[in-house]
Amino acid sequence: GAGVSQTPSNKVTEKGKYVELRCDPISGHTALYWYRQSLGQGPEFLIYFQGTGAADDSGLPNDRFFAVRPEGSVSTLKIQRTERGDSAVYLCASSLKGGASAFFGQGTRLTVV
Amino acid sequence: AQSVTQLDSQVPVFEEAPVELRCNYSSSVSVYLFWYVQYPNQGLQLLLKYLSGSTLVKGINGFEAEFNKSQTSFHLRKPSVHISDTAEYFCAVSDPKKTSYDKVIFGPGTSLSVIP
Repeated sequence: GAGVSQTPSNKVTEKGKYVELRCDPISGHTALYWYRQSLGQGPEFLIYFQGTGAADDSGLPNDRFFAVRPEGSVSTLKIQRTERGDSAVYLCASSLKGGASAFFGQGTRLTVV
Repeated sequence: AQSVTQLDSQVPVFEEAPVELRCNYSSSVSVYLFWYVQYPNQGLQLLLKYLSGSTLVKGINGFEAEFNKSQTSFHLRKPSVHISDTAEYFCAVSDPKKTSYDKVIFGPGTSLSVIP
C-alpha cells in the first residue's frame, strides 16, 4: 500500500482480555518497528523486526506482550491479560532495510477499561 | 543507554516569528539524530536527520537543525513559522555502533503552537 496501515484504529477492551493489533508495512520494507506512546510522552520502543525475525525485543515490557511477523510483511502485536496501564497509542513503522528513515502508521489507540 | 531531553514541553510563538526547539542527548562517541513531527490526528513524519558530515542539516517545510557535539545538542530552528507548523515535535537518537540497526529513542516531545 501507499503507507503503513494499522488496524484497528481504536480498540476498547476489558481488563484481562487478549488483544491483537495489526500492522501492514509499506510493500518491500524489510524492517518493522513497534512503539508505544502514552499521553504526553514520546514513542517508547517495543520491538524491531528485520524480515521475519525479531532483531531487538528489549522494549517489550513483560511476557504479556508478544509480536510476530511470520512472512516478513504483516506484523501482529499481541497483548495477553490486558491491564489498564497498557492503555496507549501503539505505533508501527517500517523502513526499507533498517534505519530511522522509517514511515509511521497512524497508530492504534488501545483503551483498557 | 541513550536518552533525549527536550526541555520545553510547550512553545507558543506568533506567526512569522522565528522558533527554536531545543534537544539534548546523552553523550556517546557517535550518534544518529532525528527530528520527527506529529500533526494533529496524523502519524509521525521524519523532518530531518543527521548521520554524518555537515553539522547543519536542512529538512522539509523550511526547518533546519544543527548538530553540536561539544554541547550534545541538536536544536531545531525555523526562521518564520506558519499556522500549519502547529504540531508536536520529537527529537530522537540512535546508536550507529550496534551490529544490527538500532532502535530509535525518542524524547518527550515539544508542542509548538503558532498564534495568528
